[in-house]
Amino acid sequence: AQKVTQAQTEISVVEKEDVTLDCVYETRDTTYYLFWYKQPPSGELVFLIRRNSFDEQNEISGRYSWNFQKSTSSFNFTITASQVVDSAVYFCALRRNTDKLIFGTGTRLQVFP
Amino acid sequence: EPEVTQTPSHQVTQMGQEVILRCVPISNHLYFYWYRQILGQKVEFLVSFYNNEISEKSEIFDDQFSVERPDGSNFTLKIRSTKLEDSAMYFCVVTGGPVRRYGYTFGSGTRLTVV
Repeated sequence: AQKVTQAQTEISVVEKEDVTLDCVYETRDTTYYLFWYKQPPSGELVFLIRRNSFDEQNEISGRYSWNFQKSTSSFNFTITASQVVDSAVYFCALRRNTDKLIFGTGTRLQVFP
Repeated sequence: EPEVTQTPSHQVTQMGQEVILRCVPISNHLYFYWYRQILGQKVEFLVSFYNNEISEKSEIFDDQFSVERPDGSNFTLKIRSTKLEDSAMYFCVVTGGPVRRYGYTFGSGTRLTVV
């Protein structure tokens, strides 16, 4: 079965705190891709990152970083020094050997000033 | 300018009516998809379309749904007889080719409200 689990339904932090959003996936494929998308209150889906299963290097982009661990089937997302503008719903997604993306249920992040 | 434009941004329709949601990608993309998101829920795959035919569809994509690319530019999703449960945000998604080289680009969405 292909599945993406985001166990954290909602997280609230105060500005400047670091926050980690968890993502655990299930797939039997050896080749697959993992994604993170941000959905602000306006509703659009904003692409953040794509990672293939052969590349386990962690990635950092400004205040964002991603930790991919195949051993635990996790692809966690950390925001450092969070800001109010980071408030959104964040979705983790899996793409296996077919075209479609399988999304998790999302984590709503609220950053308070 | 967005790579994928969806029209309308919001549509209200009466139950039983037909609706057509439109998607216009700016550059030449090869793969087209529709996803939907019921309010407060996760994003769900509906259908993928390549080389002018459906390549995969979900169980949600029943006989009430159809897709086409009539003029080589617009990509449309038609719902023949809308139901209340069709109320959702519908996203058009495109990619230029294999996802290993191209990411998925989501349109800004059409919010469909069936009353």
